[in-house]
Order: sequence, then C-alpha cells, then structure tokens
Amino acid sequence: AQKVTQAQTEISVVEKEDVTLDCVYETRDTTYYLFWYKQPPSGELVFLIRRNSFDEQNEISGRYSWNFQKSTSSFNFTITASQVVDSAVYFCALYNFNKFYFGSGTKLNVKP
Amino acid sequence: SQTIHQWPATLVQPVGSPLSLECTVEGTSNPNLYWYRQAAGRGLQLLFYSVGIGQISSEVPQNLSASRPQDRQFILSSKKLLLSDSGFYLCAGRQGSTDTQYFGPGTRLTVL
Repeated sequence: AQKVTQAQTEISVVEKEDVTLDCVYETRDTTYYLFWYKQPPSGELVFLIRRNSFDEQNEISGRYSWNFQKSTSSFNFTITASQVVDSAVYFCALYNFNKFYFGSGTKLNVKP
Repeated sequence: SQTIHQWPATLVQPVGSPLSLECTVEGTSNPNLYWYRQAAGRGLQLLFYSVGIGQISSEVPQNLSASRPQDRQFILSSKKLLLSDSGFYLCAGRQGSTDTQYFGPGTRLTVL
C-alpha cells in the first residue's frame, strides 16, 4: 500500500528563519514520483517540484531546497530565510499507477 | 503546461438538491483527470479518477458520481446533496509527458 505521512500539522516561524517540512512515504514499488504542492489561502494547489524514484539528487530553487533520501523514504522540503508570503499549507504526494497519494499537509505560518 | 478550468468558484445548495460541477482541461490531450474533496482544514480525499472517455474509477463510495463525456471534460454530480457533501472540490489533470498533476482553482460547496 502507498502512504505519505507529514507528521508536522502546523509550524510557526518568524520571518527570515529557515524551516524544514518533513515528508515520509511508504511504497513497495521501485518506480514512483514524489511531489510537493503549496496551497495558499486562495485554495488552489500550486505545483512546486517533482522527483522520480531514480533521481536522488537534491534540488535547490531559490530559497527552496528538497532532500530526497530513499534509504529513509523521506522527501523533505526546506525554505531558507522564510517570508510571510510562504505562509500556506504544503502537501507532499506520491504518484504511481495513475493515482496520487497525498499527505495530510503541513500548515506553515510565517510571522513578520 | 495544461490549464484546468473549474466552475463555479462558490456554490451554496440546499440539502436534497442536485449538483453538477464541471471541469475542463486545456493544453493537453488524453489527460488523466481527478476529482478531490478537501474538508475545512483537512487533507485531500481522492473521489474519482479517469484515464479516458467513459472510464471512471471510484475511490470512495458515497453520494457522488462522475462522468467523462469528452476527452477534456470531467463532471462531478449528485442527485441529492447531503450536509456532509460540503467542502472544497478540486479537479486535477495529470500531464502524461511529465507525470505532473496540475490543479484547477476549486469550487467551495456549502450544503445548508
């Protein structure tokens, strides 16, 4: 069975702090994709990153970075120097065989 | 990339009334399409997905149904709404070339 766990329900930080959102997944398949999405207060989910199971290279995009470790089945997301605009709910997801499995989301509050 | 259109953005319906939410996709052909529901402050629940015209997979037995009359059209329906059908409904499409799922803006449904 496929499962994605985001143990952090809600995180609050002060602007400019770094914050890491955790994501742990379960699957018996060797081929899958992992995603992160951002859901701002408006509600629409915004795609942030996709990683396939054969690519364990970490990725950096501006203030965002992702750490994929198959050995621990984790795909963590770090925001460096957080800003108020980063406040949102973030979802981690796993995809294979036509279906996406989402974690329960982590609500990030960035205070000025 | 593909664009997902959903309407209406907001809907208030009485208990027992019918429902029809429409989702259309631009920018890709033969996408996999998905309907999700999100209760307030909760994660995403997959309701239905479709890999082609007339092909619907139901993930959760409930008061709703889905249809895909055209390649880029996905409809969520109910004959009689229940209070528990209230929520935020999101349509999504998977772009085959990248296996990435893109979301529409969502419909906030309140059943009174």
